[in-house]
This record gives sequence, C-alpha cells and structure tokens, in this order.
Amino acid sequence: DTAVSQTPKYLVTQMGNDKSIKCEQNLGHDTMYWYKQDSKKFLKIMFSYNNKELIINETVPNRFSPKSPDKAHLNLHINSLELGDSAVYFCASSQDLGVYGYTFGSGTRLTVV
Amino acid sequence: GEDVEQSLFLSVREGDSSVINCTYTDSSSTYLYWYKQEPGAGLQLLTYIFSNMDMKQDQRLTVLLNKKDKHLSLRIADTQTGDSAIYFCAESKSSASKIIFGSGTRLSIRP
Repeated sequence: DTAVSQTPKYLVTQMGNDKSIKCEQNLGHDTMYWYKQDSKKFLKIMFSYNNKELIINETVPNRFSPKSPDKAHLNLHINSLELGDSAVYFCASSQDLGVYGYTFGSGTRLTVV
Repeated sequence: GEDVEQSLFLSVREGDSSVINCTYTDSSSTYLYWYKQEPGAGLQLLTYIFSNMDMKQDQRLTVLLNKKDKHLSLRIADTQTGDSAIYFCAESKSSASKIIFGSGTRLSIRP
C-alpha cells in the first residue's frame, strides 16, 4: 500500500521522559511535515523538510528535534516531555511543496502523564 | 496575516445538502483546500481549488470560491451518514511551503 505510516499509533509516557515518533512515506514525495493537533482539533505546522533539508521550523520548543535520514523518513524526537505536549501528532508528505495538497498519516496520540 | 475561520458545527438531515463555509484573511492565498477527518484517522484531501478559479465540481462535492470576499465553501449533495466527519478548510501561498488550516467544522447527520 502506498501511504504515510507513523509509529507508534499511541504513546503514553511520564513527564520528563524522552520519546520518538517515526514516519515513513513510500509515495516518492520530496517534502515531509509534522503537524500537531490539540484537543480542540486545531492543527498547527511544526516542521517541514524538503529533500532532507529543514525548510520550516515554526515556534516549536527546542525540546522537539526532527531528523530526516532520507527523503522517505522524517522522525520526531521529543526531550523532557511536558503535560502540554499531549496531542495528536500527524506526519504528512507532498510533492513539489504541496501545491496539490498533502497526504497525511493516521496520527500518533501522545499522552503525557 | 494568516487566518482561516470556520464555524465549529453543522447539523444536516440525511439526504439534504450540506454547505460548509470558510473565510480567510490572506489575499495572496493561491491554493485552497478541503480536508476531511474521520474519528481516529488522519486528514484526507477531498479537493483543492486554485485562486484563479471560481468553482470546482467533483461528484457530490462542489467548491465555490469568492476571491473578492475571501470566502470558500464546500457543498456536499445528498449528504450520507458516511459524511459525518470534521471538515477542514486550508490555504497556502505559492511562495510558501506550508498549509494553514482552519479550526474545522464538525458535520453531523441526523436521520
């Protein structure tokens, strides 16, 4: 299946821990993104990589660090997790900077306790 | 500035048409989108329209763009229970590489 795949789907962890979310796309797209969706369903972009290079870095705490080992992968590492980090994190990909829209993964629900 | 606004809720009767409205503030928005999010799932691109178009139709979906008023709408004809979801309006500019989303409209269908 051609898709954007995220793992894990659910992640429950304690405050102060470090965790990673992985994302892979097999669509041959050149751009990948991380979005955060809060409890009110509001979506906000966090990062974007084009051909492994960071092109968007919104005002995200530096506890969040994206890593793109190749065009097909964009992982998100979060240090020192806080309660406010609880949200659903969506990975997405696109071709040509997303003029024709993005393809989203199914999300990772992160709960910090 | 960047701002996309939608009403939060819409309830329609099964078989009726649904019209979801959206307004945006950035007149340089070039590409406008409608996404659908079902419970527990990611966002699915339904359709997009370029700013040089007024209307786009795709089966039961009709998108209308009023660029002067910065107003975008999505009409779903013959609404079915499977259309229950949150619908997000979104916009981007040709010079940027990010899509800005509205807050989403939760569409519920009543029998």
